[in-house]
Amino acid sequence: DVKVTQSSRYLVKRTGEKVFLECVQDMDHENMFWYRQDPGLGLRLIYFSYDVKMKEKGDIPEGYSVSREKKERFSLILESASTNQTSMYLCATHPHGTGGPSEAFFGQGTRLTVV
Amino acid sequence: QQQVKQSPQSLIVQKGGISIINCAYENTAFDYFPWYQQFPGKGPALLIAIRPDVSEKKEGRFTISFNKSAKQFSLHIMDSQPGDSATYFCAASRWGSGGSNYKLTFGKGTLLTVNP
Repeated sequence: DVKVTQSSRYLVKRTGEKVFLECVQDMDHENMFWYRQDPGLGLRLIYFSYDVKMKEKGDIPEGYSVSREKKERFSLILESASTNQTSMYLCATHPHGTGGPSEAFFGQGTRLTVV
Repeated sequence: QQQVKQSPQSLIVQKGGISIINCAYENTAFDYFPWYQQFPGKGPALLIAIRPDVSEKKEGRFTISFNKSAKQFSLHIMDSQPGDSATYFCAASRWGSGGSNYKLTFGKGTLLTVNP
């Protein structure tokens, strides 16, 4: 059974703190993604990684960084948390195929509140 | 810059009715159009997807209709059931192998409520 595990379901942090969101997958997928979900805005891509130590910016990378030291783990880092980063964060994985896209697998999300 | 426009924002349908959600895209490089379904407290999950070499794809009660010239696609849920109540996201990406082709651009979502 496919599994994408995000380390926390709920997180409350203070403004200015450095925050780490962790995502672990057991499917040996090359591609991993961090999305942010906000009501009325849908899902927006923050960063993605298509290989270990490789990363590319998505549509809204400002205020975030990522780390991928091992294939199964992709971390999202908020260098200095701000209240406008209060959101639901979703990690996703996608296998590398010889054809085209198939199914992206999502974790259950981390609801982050910055106070 | 919203590259995939989704409507309506919310939809209420009676059990047994037809639910229709529409999406329009701007980027002609998009070549793969999936729909994701999300229940409360869960991450989105793939429901059905289409490539523009076909105009329609049906899986059970779910059908995607695609109009390439209009750059529009829609999800039809026939015989809607209360268990279909969820948020639905249309998305788009390029077709091809390789990491950047797996980036999904999502619509803003439609909250579907099916009343019993």
